[in-house]
Amino acid sequence: TQLLEQSPQFLSIQEGENLTVYCNSSSVFSSLQWYRQEPGEGPVLLVTVVTGGEVKKLKRLTFQFGDARKDSSLHITAAQPGDTGLYLCAGRATSGTYKYIFGTGTRLKVLA
Amino acid sequence: EAGVAQSPRYKIIEKRQSVAFWCNPISGHATLYWYQQILGQGPKLLIQFQNNGVVDDSQLPKDRFSAERLKGVDSTLKIQPAKLEDSAVYLCASSRLGGNTGELFFGEGSRLTVL
Repeated sequence: TQLLEQSPQFLSIQEGENLTVYCNSSSVFSSLQWYRQEPGEGPVLLVTVVTGGEVKKLKRLTFQFGDARKDSSLHITAAQPGDTGLYLCAGRATSGTYKYIFGTGTRLKVLA
Repeated sequence: EAGVAQSPRYKIIEKRQSVAFWCNPISGHATLYWYQQILGQGPKLLIQFQNNGVVDDSQLPKDRFSAERLKGVDSTLKIQPAKLEDSAVYLCASSRLGGNTGELFFGEGSRLTVL
Protein backbone atom coordinates (compact mmCIF):
# COMPACT_ATOMS: atom_id res chain seq x y z
CA THR A 1 0.00 0.00 0.00
CA GLN A 2 1.38 3.38 -0.99
CA LEU A 3 1.37 5.96 1.79
CA LEU A 4 2.23 9.65 1.82
CA GLU A 5 3.21 11.20 5.14
CA GLN A 6 3.15 14.97 5.48
CA SER A 7 4.94 17.03 8.08
CA PRO A 8 4.29 19.05 10.02
CA GLN A 9 0.67 18.13 10.69
CA PHE A 10 -0.13 21.62 12.00
CA LEU A 11 1.64 24.93 11.54
CA SER A 12 0.73 28.32 12.96
CA ILE A 13 2.97 31.21 11.93
CA GLN A 14 2.99 34.98 11.76
CA GLU A 15 2.44 36.87 8.52
CA GLY A 16 5.72 37.36 6.68
CA GLU A 17 7.43 34.21 7.93
CA ASN A 18 8.69 31.45 5.66
CA LEU A 19 7.71 27.78 5.95
CA THR A 20 8.29 24.40 4.36
CA VAL A 21 5.91 21.45 4.21
CA TYR A 22 7.22 17.96 3.48
CA CYS A 23 5.57 15.02 1.76
CA ASN A 24 7.39 11.68 2.09
CA SER A 25 6.86 8.12 0.94
CA SER A 26 8.80 4.91 0.51
CA SER A 27 7.05 4.42 -2.84
CA VAL A 28 7.85 5.89 -6.23
CA PHE A 29 5.21 8.02 -7.91
CA SER A 30 4.89 8.88 -11.60
CA SER A 31 3.84 12.41 -10.66
CA LEU A 32 2.95 14.40 -7.60
CA GLN A 33 0.41 17.14 -7.09
CA TRP A 34 -0.17 19.71 -4.38
CA TYR A 35 -3.68 20.88 -3.51
CA ARG A 36 -5.02 23.49 -1.10
CA GLN A 37 -8.36 22.98 0.60
CA GLU A 38 -10.39 25.62 2.42
CA PRO A 39 -13.19 24.83 4.90
CA GLY A 40 -16.37 23.59 3.26
CA GLU A 41 -14.77 23.22 -0.14
CA GLY A 42 -13.04 20.55 -2.15
CA PRO A 43 -9.27 20.59 -2.74
CA VAL A 44 -8.00 22.81 -5.56
CA LEU A 45 -4.89 21.97 -7.57
CA LEU A 46 -1.85 24.21 -7.09
CA VAL A 47 0.78 22.38 -9.14
CA THR A 48 1.83 19.09 -10.71
CA VAL A 49 5.45 17.93 -10.77
CA VAL A 50 6.46 15.07 -13.01
CA THR A 51 10.25 14.79 -13.34
CA GLY A 52 12.59 13.81 -10.51
CA GLY A 53 14.36 16.93 -9.23
CA GLU A 54 11.83 19.24 -10.85
CA VAL A 55 11.26 22.64 -9.24
CA LYS A 56 8.21 24.78 -9.97
CA LYS A 57 7.38 28.23 -8.69
CA LEU A 58 3.94 29.74 -8.30
CA LYS A 59 4.35 33.31 -7.06
CA ARG A 60 5.54 32.88 -3.43
CA LEU A 61 5.19 29.08 -3.49
CA THR A 62 8.06 26.81 -4.56
CA PHE A 63 7.47 23.11 -5.17
CA GLN A 64 10.16 20.45 -5.54
CA PHE A 65 9.91 16.80 -6.53
CA GLY A 66 12.60 14.55 -5.07
CA ASP A 67 15.20 13.05 -7.39
CA ALA A 68 13.90 9.54 -6.72
CA ARG A 69 10.25 10.69 -7.09
CA LYS A 70 9.44 9.50 -3.57
CA ASP A 71 9.13 12.84 -1.82
CA SER A 72 8.25 16.49 -2.37
CA SER A 73 8.34 19.79 -0.57
CA LEU A 74 6.36 23.01 -0.63
CA HIS A 75 8.06 26.20 0.47
CA ILE A 76 6.10 29.40 1.07
CA THR A 77 7.98 32.70 1.25
CA ALA A 78 6.55 35.60 3.24
CA ALA A 79 3.32 33.82 4.18
CA GLN A 80 0.09 35.81 4.11
CA PRO A 81 -3.25 35.18 5.88
CA GLY A 82 -4.69 34.17 2.50
CA ASP A 83 -2.35 31.17 2.49
CA THR A 84 -4.29 29.66 5.41
CA GLY A 85 -5.74 26.26 4.59
CA LEU A 86 -5.16 22.52 4.44
CA TYR A 87 -2.30 21.60 2.10
CA LEU A 88 -2.42 18.14 0.57
CA CYS A 89 0.07 16.30 -1.56
CA ALA A 90 -1.21 13.59 -3.89
CA GLY A 91 0.88 11.00 -5.66
CA ARG A 92 -0.13 9.26 -8.83
CA ALA A 93 0.57 5.55 -8.69
CA THR A 94 2.93 4.20 -11.33
CA SER A 95 0.52 1.46 -12.34
CA GLY A 96 -1.06 3.57 -15.04
CA THR A 97 -4.55 3.57 -13.60
CA TYR A 98 -4.60 7.32 -12.83
CA LYS A 99 -5.01 6.46 -9.15
CA TYR A 100 -4.15 9.32 -6.80
CA ILE A 101 -3.15 8.72 -3.18
CA PHE A 102 -3.45 11.72 -0.89
CA GLY A 103 -1.12 12.62 1.94
CA THR A 104 -2.10 13.06 5.57
CA GLY A 105 -2.40 16.86 5.19
CA THR A 106 -0.77 19.93 6.73
CA ARG A 107 -3.05 22.50 8.29
CA LEU A 108 -1.52 25.98 7.99
CA LYS A 109 -2.72 29.06 9.82
CA VAL A 110 -1.12 32.41 9.06
CA LEU A 111 -1.80 35.08 11.66
CA ALA A 112 -2.02 38.74 10.66
CA GLU B 1 -17.76 25.15 -17.63
CA ALA B 2 -19.87 23.83 -14.77
CA GLY B 3 -17.99 22.21 -11.90
CA VAL B 4 -18.53 18.89 -10.13
CA ALA B 5 -21.96 18.86 -8.50
CA GLN B 6 -22.68 16.91 -5.33
CA SER B 7 -25.78 16.48 -3.18
CA PRO B 8 -26.82 16.63 -0.48
CA ARG B 9 -24.32 19.01 1.12
CA TYR B 10 -25.21 17.83 4.63
CA LYS B 11 -26.86 14.71 6.02
CA ILE B 12 -27.49 13.60 9.59
CA ILE B 13 -28.63 10.04 10.24
CA GLU B 14 -28.82 7.53 13.05
CA LYS B 15 -26.45 4.56 13.05
CA ARG B 16 -27.75 1.56 11.13
CA GLN B 17 -29.73 3.84 8.77
CA SER B 18 -28.88 4.17 5.09
CA VAL B 19 -27.78 7.17 3.06
CA ALA B 20 -27.02 7.93 -0.58
CA PHE B 21 -24.84 10.61 -2.14
CA TRP B 22 -25.02 11.78 -5.73
CA CYS B 23 -22.30 13.21 -7.96
CA ASN B 24 -22.42 14.74 -11.44
CA PRO B 25 -18.90 15.19 -12.86
CA ILE B 26 -17.68 17.79 -15.32
CA SER B 27 -19.01 17.05 -18.78
CA GLY B 28 -16.67 14.86 -20.79
CA HIS B 29 -14.61 13.65 -17.83
CA ALA B 30 -14.20 9.90 -18.14
CA THR B 31 -12.74 9.25 -14.70
CA LEU B 32 -14.73 9.69 -11.49
CA TYR B 33 -13.48 9.22 -7.94
CA TRP B 34 -15.15 8.98 -4.54
CA TYR B 35 -12.99 9.93 -1.57
CA GLN B 36 -13.75 9.82 2.17
CA GLN B 37 -12.23 12.63 4.23
CA ILE B 38 -12.25 12.41 8.01
CA LEU B 39 -12.07 15.85 9.65
CA GLY B 40 -8.55 17.29 9.38
CA GLN B 41 -7.13 14.36 7.42
CA GLY B 42 -6.28 13.74 3.79
CA PRO B 43 -8.88 12.20 1.48
CA LYS B 44 -8.93 8.40 1.27
CA LEU B 45 -9.84 6.86 -2.09
CA LEU B 46 -12.94 4.66 -1.88
CA ILE B 47 -13.58 3.88 -5.53
CA GLN B 48 -12.45 4.97 -9.00
CA PHE B 49 -14.52 4.62 -12.17
CA GLN B 50 -13.36 4.96 -15.74
CA ASN B 51 -16.47 5.56 -17.83
CA ASN B 52 -18.91 3.07 -16.25
CA GLY B 53 -16.32 0.49 -15.19
CA VAL B 54 -14.67 0.13 -11.78
CA VAL B 55 -10.89 0.64 -11.91
CA ASP B 56 -10.12 0.41 -8.19
CA ASP B 57 -12.34 -0.33 -5.20
CA SER B 58 -9.73 -1.96 -2.98
CA GLN B 59 -10.46 0.35 -0.03
CA LEU B 60 -14.25 0.34 -0.31
CA PRO B 61 -15.87 -1.46 2.69
CA LYS B 62 -18.02 -3.60 0.47
CA ASP B 63 -20.10 -5.03 3.29
CA ARG B 64 -21.75 -1.62 3.76
CA PHE B 65 -20.66 0.68 0.92
CA SER B 66 -21.70 0.45 -2.72
CA ALA B 67 -21.27 2.74 -5.70
CA GLU B 68 -22.42 2.78 -9.28
CA ARG B 69 -21.97 4.82 -12.42
CA LEU B 70 -24.44 3.16 -14.74
CA LYS B 71 -24.30 5.37 -17.84
CA GLY B 72 -20.73 6.56 -17.40
CA VAL B 73 -21.84 10.01 -16.29
CA ASP B 74 -23.26 10.63 -12.82
CA SER B 75 -22.62 8.38 -9.86
CA THR B 76 -24.22 7.35 -6.57
CA LEU B 77 -22.45 6.24 -3.39
CA LYS B 78 -24.57 4.38 -0.84
CA ILE B 79 -23.90 3.39 2.77
CA GLN B 80 -26.10 0.76 4.39
CA PRO B 81 -26.07 0.34 7.35
CA ALA B 82 -24.14 3.38 8.55
CA LYS B 83 -21.72 3.24 11.48
CA LEU B 84 -20.50 6.04 13.73
CA GLU B 85 -17.06 5.90 12.10
CA ASP B 86 -18.61 6.72 8.71
CA SER B 87 -18.99 10.34 9.83
CA ALA B 88 -16.91 12.22 7.27
CA VAL B 89 -17.04 14.37 4.16
CA TYR B 90 -17.55 12.37 0.98
CA LEU B 91 -15.79 14.05 -1.91
CA CYS B 92 -16.43 13.35 -5.56
CA ALA B 93 -13.79 14.25 -8.14
CA SER B 94 -13.49 13.88 -11.88
CA SER B 95 -10.70 14.14 -14.42
CA ARG B 96 -10.09 13.84 -18.13
CA LEU B 97 -8.66 10.54 -19.28
CA GLY B 98 -5.01 10.43 -20.19
CA GLY B 99 -1.87 12.46 -19.60
CA ASN B 100 0.59 12.45 -16.75
CA THR B 101 -0.46 15.79 -15.29
CA GLY B 102 -4.17 15.09 -14.91
CA GLU B 103 -5.93 17.49 -12.56
CA LEU B 104 -8.64 16.27 -10.23
CA PHE B 105 -11.63 18.58 -10.03
CA PHE B 106 -13.50 18.22 -6.77
CA GLY B 107 -17.03 18.98 -5.73
CA GLU B 108 -17.79 20.75 -2.46
CA GLY B 109 -18.44 17.43 -0.73
CA SER B 110 -21.28 15.86 1.22
CA ARG B 111 -20.84 16.02 4.98
CA LEU B 112 -22.26 13.00 6.80
CA THR B 113 -22.88 12.89 10.54
CA VAL B 114 -23.86 9.53 12.02
CA LEU B 115 -25.39 9.72 15.52
